[in-house]
Amino acid sequence: DGGITQSPKYLFRKEGQNVTLSCEQNLNHDAMYWYRQDPGQGLRLIYYSQIVNDFQKGDIAEGYSVSREKKESFPLTVTSAQKNPTAFYLCASSTTVYSNQPQHFGDGTRLSIL
Amino acid sequence: AQKVTQAQTEISVVEKEDVTLDCVYETRDTTYYLFWYKQPPSGELVFLIRRNSFDEQNEISGRYSWNFQKSTSSFNFTITASQVVDSAVYFCALETSGSRLTFGEGTQLTVNP
Repeated sequence: DGGITQSPKYLFRKEGQNVTLSCEQNLNHDAMYWYRQDPGQGLRLIYYSQIVNDFQKGDIAEGYSVSREKKESFPLTVTSAQKNPTAFYLCASSTTVYSNQPQHFGDGTRLSIL
Repeated sequence: AQKVTQAQTEISVVEKEDVTLDCVYETRDTTYYLFWYKQPPSGELVFLIRRNSFDEQNEISGRYSWNFQKSTSSFNFTITASQVVDSAVYFCALETSGSRLTFGEGTQLTVNP
């Protein structure tokens, strides 16, 4: 079945450590997104990518980095510069950016600080 | 700038009650799209409906119905005869031409047996 796979489901980070969240899609979508969700809040956009080897900052990109080496993959690295990383992270994809088509979401990764 | 407001942070109902989730949006664009997503406890967002700004027809899908009113900038979602499985966080979202999807803060719906 086509869809988006995020791993791991739960992740723990130590102080000063970088961690990488995986996102893979087999929907043949060009656009991919990373969102952060905090309790009681909506989704905030971290980064998005319109095409391979291209990505743009969203509203809260500081302390995060991404890469888009393959169409199917859009990993997110939470760096040590992100001082408050505890949140639920959701990856999404759509046919193209600004397409007004629904975005498809993964199951999310819950990141906590040790 | 665009904005989506879901004033109801939490709603609690008893099974079989009808419930309406409110969504008010702000945009200066004349062409835009509105979405509703459901986030069950498992975490993933599930797409429910998309409506463009030129189509004000209400829509019904089973127990779900949506009321789009441009005059009040609202896109409300009603669940008829609610069930425990409807318990989730529901998000309203807005996308305009050339801009990113903007989400409301969500409404936590709890349906009690």
